[in-house]
Amino acid sequence: EAGVAQSPRYKIIEKRQSVAFWCNPISGHATLYWYQQILGQGPKLLIQFQNNGVVDDSQLPKDRFSAERLKGVDSTLKIQPAKLEDSAVYLCASSFVQGPNEKLFFGSGTQLSVL
Amino acid sequence: EDKVVQSPLSLVVHEGDTVTLNCSYEVTNFRSLLWYKQEKKAPTFLFMLTSSGIEKKSGRLSSILDKKELFSILNITATQTGDSAIYLCAVEASGAGSYQLTFGKGTKLSVIP
Repeated sequence: EAGVAQSPRYKIIEKRQSVAFWCNPISGHATLYWYQQILGQGPKLLIQFQNNGVVDDSQLPKDRFSAERLKGVDSTLKIQPAKLEDSAVYLCASSFVQGPNEKLFFGSGTQLSVL
Repeated sequence: EDKVVQSPLSLVVHEGDTVTLNCSYEVTNFRSLLWYKQEKKAPTFLFMLTSSGIEKKSGRLSSILDKKELFSILNITATQTGDSAIYLCAVEASGAGSYQLTFGKGTKLSVIP
């Protein structure tokens, strides 16, 4: 079974530039998550999709971050404009359905460095 | 606000040692507690615990949940260098029509030969 695919693996940009990350969840997984993990911290949920609808985006900084999952499969997360504090690993995860007790499968993440 | 606290934050042991990692939590509408191992970047699932007092075991790793005292421990016996990783504890809670995972900061385990 293929895992959660993410690209790019690494991205270096200057502050105020834009960046986009892509995620393809495990086939058949209806729920998709984007997490931000700052160095030394645990992952923090940014947004959760159920199929192509947003379930929870309460922690997404909507003035600069946006995400979409138009066809209910793959998803993109965009930051525009980036700030220094956005430097982090952005993890995508998926699960078969939305909880409870559904374990998440994570991708390898995109490491973003904002200079 | 839901809170998950892990201790210690880092730990260095020698191969063959036994380690215990701790996770305490304060959440409303608790559903489950999960342990993940994070090597490099992708967290991989270890255990899900929903009931108190029932030990989950996989090889040299085991975990148990105490819902009364609001904590869980992860034990690793006969540690190997391949156990070196960050171990993340996450608690699932329900609310407002969704289920959310709140992660702790993790315990960084280093196993030296």
